[in-house]
Amino acid sequence: GAVVSQHPSWVICKSGTSVKIECRSLDFQATTMFWYRQFPKQSLMLMATSNEGSKATYEQGVEKDKFLINHASLTLSTLTVTSAHPEDSSFYICSARQGVDTGELFFGEGSRLTVL
Amino acid sequence: AQSVTQLGSHVSVSEGALVLLRCNYSSSVPPYLFWYVQYPNQGLQLLLKYTTGATLVKGINGFEAEFKKSETSFHLTKPSAHMSDAAEYFCAVRGTGGSEKLVFGKGTKLTVNP
Repeated sequence: GAVVSQHPSWVICKSGTSVKIECRSLDFQATTMFWYRQFPKQSLMLMATSNEGSKATYEQGVEKDKFLINHASLTLSTLTVTSAHPEDSSFYICSARQGVDTGELFFGEGSRLTVL
Repeated sequence: AQSVTQLGSHVSVSEGALVLLRCNYSSSVPPYLFWYVQYPNQGLQLLLKYTTGATLVKGINGFEAEFKKSETSFHLTKPSAHMSDAAEYFCAVRGTGGSEKLVFGKGTKLTVNP
C-alpha cells in the first residue's frame, strides 16, 4: 500500500514554543491530507482537512491560529502547534487520500507531542 | 451525516478463539466502510474496506467483515485469534462523495489471552 511518513515521531518542548510536524506521502501524490488528534484511549478526532495550494478547512472547535496547517506541495503537509501548552500534548496523526473513488486513507505513524 | 458505533470498548478472547468486533453505522446513503488497526504509539493500518460489490470482504491477517445493509452492520471477525492480534481496532465510515470525511468509531481494544 501507499506510504505516509510523519516526522518527528516524538517531540518534547517547553510551554510557549512552537512545534512543526511534517506529513509526507512517499510514493503518491496527495491532493488532500487530513490531520487528526488522538487523546489517550480515545478515538481519532479530525482537526482539519488540508488541500494542496489552498487554505485548510478546520473542524468546529479547532483553533486555526493555534494549529497552523500548510500544504505547499502534493507530497507534504505540515502542522505547526504555535505557543504550545501542556493541554496541547497529544498524539497527532496525519493521513493522505490516494484516489477519490474509494477515499481510502493511508495513515502516518503518528507524532507524540509532550509539552512541559 | 455518517456515524459509527462500536459495541464494546474492550473485548477479550483466548488465543485460538473466534474474534468478533461489532460495528454499526448510520448513513443516509450507502457508505464506504473500513476497519483499521492501531498498535500502541503507531498510526493506523487498513485491515479491510467495503466500497461496492461483494458484501463479504477479506482483509489482511486473516480478518474479514460482512456488510449487512439490512442490519446497518459491518462486524469484523477472525476465526482464530493470535497473540499478535492484540491491538485497538477502529471502524470507520464515509459517504461516497469525493470530499466526504472519514468518521471513526470510538475503538475496541482487543486483548488476546494465552
